[in-house]
Amino acid sequence: AQSVTQLDSHVSVSEGTPVLLRCNYSSSYSPSLFWYVQHPNKGLQLLLKYTSAATLVKGINGFEAEFKKSETSFHLTKPSAHMSDAAEYFCVVVYSSASKIIFGSGTRLSIRP
Amino acid sequence: NAGVMQNPRHLVRRRGQEARLRCSPMKGHSHVYWYRQLPEEGLKFMVYLQKENIIDESGMPKERFSAEFPKEGPSILRIQQVVRGDSAAYFCASSPGSGRAADTQYFGPGTRLTVL
Repeated sequence: AQSVTQLDSHVSVSEGTPVLLRCNYSSSYSPSLFWYVQHPNKGLQLLLKYTSAATLVKGINGFEAEFKKSETSFHLTKPSAHMSDAAEYFCVVVYSSASKIIFGSGTRLSIRP
Repeated sequence: NAGVMQNPRHLVRRRGQEARLRCSPMKGHSHVYWYRQLPEEGLKFMVYLQKENIIDESGMPKERFSAEFPKEGPSILRIQQVVRGDSAAYFCASSPGSGRAADTQYFGPGTRLTVL
């Protein structure tokens, strides 16, 4: 079955240290992959997306993600965390052949001063 | 360009009443998606609509829930005879509609439904 797994429900890092949010998906031909962020009491905002162009995708607010087909992963990273990064992050996989949109369960990112 | 608009932002209903949630897509967008976020859970896809058509409703509960996106006006998610388990945040998203499900979706702020 097609699926997406966010391996950590909660990640806590200190301000100024790197961020890694993990996402794995079930293998399929040419998935499209997205990361969205949701701040408290707000709607979702697109951070970045991969749609079969460059495997390293740069997004807003200093985030980037690398598509690794061999590992079926699309992990989200940021070199230096900022307090304003505290939010919920969702990895989303779209299987165009089946028009299926699947959200991960989310990772809550906390930033320690 | 105004973003996706949802109203009301907060809705309180008693068990057995009807809930109507509205979504106005971004200007020029012809595709609308509805998602539900239960407390402490991630987003769950419910339904994907084009103007006057339901493209994919595989995430919609079989009973009490319906959605429409008429030629004119907003998309409506309707929940009849609400129960406490329907309490959740309901998010709407829209996309330009190139015909591909991989279009970037732009999300509204959500409607928080509380069933007493």
